[in-house]
Amino acid sequence: AQSVAQPEDQVNVAEGNPLTVKCTYSVSGNPYLFWYVQYPNRGLQFLLKYITGDNLVKGSYGFEAEFNKSQTSFHLKKPSALVSDSALYFCAVRDVPSGSARQLTFGSGTQLTVLP
Amino acid sequence: DAGVTQSPTHLIKTRGQQVTLRCSPISGHKSVSWYQQVLGQGPQFIFQYYEKEERGRGNFPDRFSARQFPNYSSELNVNALLLGDSALYLCASSLGGASGNTIYFGEGSWLTVV
Repeated sequence: AQSVAQPEDQVNVAEGNPLTVKCTYSVSGNPYLFWYVQYPNRGLQFLLKYITGDNLVKGSYGFEAEFNKSQTSFHLKKPSALVSDSALYFCAVRDVPSGSARQLTFGSGTQLTVLP
Repeated sequence: DAGVTQSPTHLIKTRGQQVTLRCSPISGHKSVSWYQQVLGQGPQFIFQYYEKEERGRGNFPDRFSARQFPNYSSELNVNALLLGDSALYLCASSLGGASGNTIYFGEGSWLTVV
């Protein structure tokens, strides 16, 4: 079974400071990892994904994430936070054993608040 | 290009009623999935369809059903609604085939059961 943990329900950061939203995962095979952002009363917007290759993945709106296999982590980062980055962030994993459906398993979400 | 479109955006139903939610995937996408997001939680997988065949089902009761049409659009049906079915229902599409394909979500259908 696959699972995702987002250990922080809430992250607060000052505008202009770097931000990190943490994610750890558990899969039986190789993980495909995703980050999505959700603004109030909206659907999910795709930010970035790790499939294979370079452990540092760059995505939309200046976000990046680092895949760490030994720590089973995929933390989301941004060098300089904007007030407009304030939203709910979800980490998701997809494990691909043979014959499985290709569903995503999501973490519980982290509310990011960037303070002006 | 249009993204994933869902209808209706909001609806209110009474316990025991039935509801049908509709989804049109991104043009060229052959895989459609449905997720339920209860307030304060992450989305939970309900169904996946690829090329009109069910490829996966999450841990939901038989009151939940879905289908995919030849044009790859999809419907999610929920019978005998319970108060606990109140949630945001998200449809997602992907090219299908490879598991590394990105899944793109629609804006969702907000269902309130009273």
